[in-house]
Amino acid sequence: GDSVTQMEGPVTLSEEAFLTINCTYTATGYPSLFWYVQYPGEGLQLLLKATKADDKGSNKGFEATYRKETTSFHLEKGSVQVSDSAVYFCALYWGGSEKLVFGKGTKLTVNP
Amino acid sequence: DADVTQTPRNRITKTGKRIMLECSQTKGHDRMYWYRQDPGLGLRLIYYSFDVKDINKGEISDGYSVSRQAQAKFSLSLESAIPNQTALYFCATSDLSANQGFGETQYFGPGTRLLVL
Repeated sequence: GDSVTQMEGPVTLSEEAFLTINCTYTATGYPSLFWYVQYPGEGLQLLLKATKADDKGSNKGFEATYRKETTSFHLEKGSVQVSDSAVYFCALYWGGSEKLVFGKGTKLTVNP
Repeated sequence: DADVTQTPRNRITKTGKRIMLECSQTKGHDRMYWYRQDPGLGLRLIYYSFDVKDINKGEISDGYSVSRQAQAKFSLSLESAIPNQTALYFCATSDLSANQGFGETQYFGPGTRLLVL
């Protein structure tokens, strides 16, 4: 079945460091891909998305490119801030199931 | 005011008790979902409803039931709570008209933290 695999956390970085969180997927058909973020004590919220191969989603300085050839959607940010400390979830959506499938989440802590 | 609200925010109960978690939304969305979040397991779908008359089981529905009382309300019940149902529970909504075949954004409530003793 459809699945999403994220890099294990937690990830701890210093402010202004470069961030990469790896995400790969397995899916039938051509899914849409999402990154959701969960700040401490809150529910998840959409960070960015891409709906077809080679699309790049971006928001708040974060970027991810839909790579069909490597079935990946890695999240990157050039310079993280303390306020980026959160749990990040990669997810896929395929029209056949009409549901989101989430990865297990990666906790990021950014220290000043 | 929050668009998706959950009550209660925290709940402690004992094994064997019946409890209900409630979700209300003011976004006018037709689709609603219940997830549970466990450390190291991410989010798992319990039940989902695409409209008032359409309710479907997710991947971990055993031990849970739901009721869609209105478009805006979707309740999750634990008929006889057990300790391994201790988790963080999230309600979410989405708008079918925003789907266009590529998947629509889901909007999450703040969560209910449940502890079953």
